[in-house]
Amino acid sequence: DAKTTQPPSMDCAEGRAANLPCNHSTISGNEYVYWYRQIHSQGPQYIIHGLKNNETNEMASLIITEDRKSSTLILPHATLRDTAVYYCIVRVDRQGAQKLVFGQGTRLTINP
Amino acid sequence: DARVTQTPRHKVTEMGQEVTMRCQPILGHNTVFWYRQTMMQGLELLAYFRNRAPLDDSGMPKDRFSAEMPDATLATLKIQPSEPRDSAVYFCASGQIVTGLDTQYFGPGTRLTVL
Repeated sequence: DAKTTQPPSMDCAEGRAANLPCNHSTISGNEYVYWYRQIHSQGPQYIIHGLKNNETNEMASLIITEDRKSSTLILPHATLRDTAVYYCIVRVDRQGAQKLVFGQGTRLTINP
Repeated sequence: DARVTQTPRHKVTEMGQEVTMRCQPILGHNTVFWYRQTMMQGLELLAYFRNRAPLDDSGMPKDRFSAEMPDATLATLKIQPSEPRDSAVYFCASGQIVTGLDTQYFGPGTRLTVL
């Protein structure tokens, strides 16, 4: 699976949009971009995923560049409860490829 | 709201003791995963089961760790004998996994401290 690169930490003001970048320059055509987050003392939680089109759900939006070498997770109106470590993971649509390989992620702190 | 449950939530034990961690996956999920999280290594996959059969345990130290699914509602991870380097948070996750894209749902974890 392709490796991802994320900034180790970011800060954002409460109520503002939090934009978390992820580089995946070696991504293959059949690999999807997934985002999970881990709030302190909890297990990781799925947020969103996409292949090449932008995606939106009730939690966040995912913007993938046209060349698919990078993406941005957007939390449109960040709250204090969004403080967490955010993981960008690349996964392949293949039977048997169930592993989630977590990197170090981005520690996002939402400030009041 | 279906959730993965894990017991115990916290465990403190002495080196050499046996430790058993339990996980109840979400009803109907066919795959159960065990992950370990430490400050140094981050989150890493230890093993996973599909329909109760072990599929991959390559991430697990074979000499002291064992994982089983005695039935569809219970997965166990045992460490015998435990060592201080086993101190970590152990997460169980489950999912209805058909391809590599299906979502995994994580439990709250068991925080293990081996003295």
